[in-house]
Amino acid sequence: SQTIHQWPATLVQPVGSPLSLECTVEGTSNPNLYWYRQAAGRGLQLLFYSIGIDQISSEVPQNLSASRPQDRQFILSSKKLLLSDSGFYLCAWSVGSEAFFGQGTRLTVV
Amino acid sequence: GQQLNQSPQSMFIQEGEDVSMNCTSSSIFNTWLWYKQDPGEGPVLLIALYKAGELTSNGRLTAQFGITRKDSFLNISASIPSDVGIYFCAGQPGNTPLVFGKGTRLSVIA
Repeated sequence: SQTIHQWPATLVQPVGSPLSLECTVEGTSNPNLYWYRQAAGRGLQLLFYSIGIDQISSEVPQNLSASRPQDRQFILSSKKLLLSDSGFYLCAWSVGSEAFFGQGTRLTVV
Repeated sequence: GQQLNQSPQSMFIQEGEDVSMNCTSSSIFNTWLWYKQDPGEGPVLLIALYKAGELTSNGRLTAQFGITRKDSFLNISASIPSDVGIYFCAGQPGNTPLVFGKGTRLSVIA
């Protein structure tokens, strides 16, 4: 069966520090991968999606970037965090229409 | 970009009551999905719909793909405390990432 791992679960980072969130998927090949951000009590904002290695589409211009160095690995990064980067970050995968989410990372920028 | 209008934004109901929520779109979708998110976790897929008019059940949950392909509803019968959470609809207009509604926050009063 397929599983998705996302870490860390929580993160507190100072303004101006770098960020690296990692997501890996097991049990499937060539999945579509996604990064979403969710502000407190709000909906899901699609940040990046990838249909293959090194193929990244950015949905919202911002202080973040994404990379897919391997088929089942998706990384969300920032060189310098802003206060507004705080939120709940979710990784997801799909093969077909149905998307499956990781447990999320709660990022607090202080 | 495409948007889904999900309503209501929030609901407070008594345990045992039935719940209904819906999503509408200005454009046609090929797929409708319904997710539930518990606090601090990633959304979990509840029901997937692929054909106009399709009615699908998952336990006490029932969802329908609207005939016009521009709407979907989710019903929960005989609500229980563990139904508390945020419910999201999601649609896929084509071979593109899912578009999510803003969510319906459900509170169940015992």
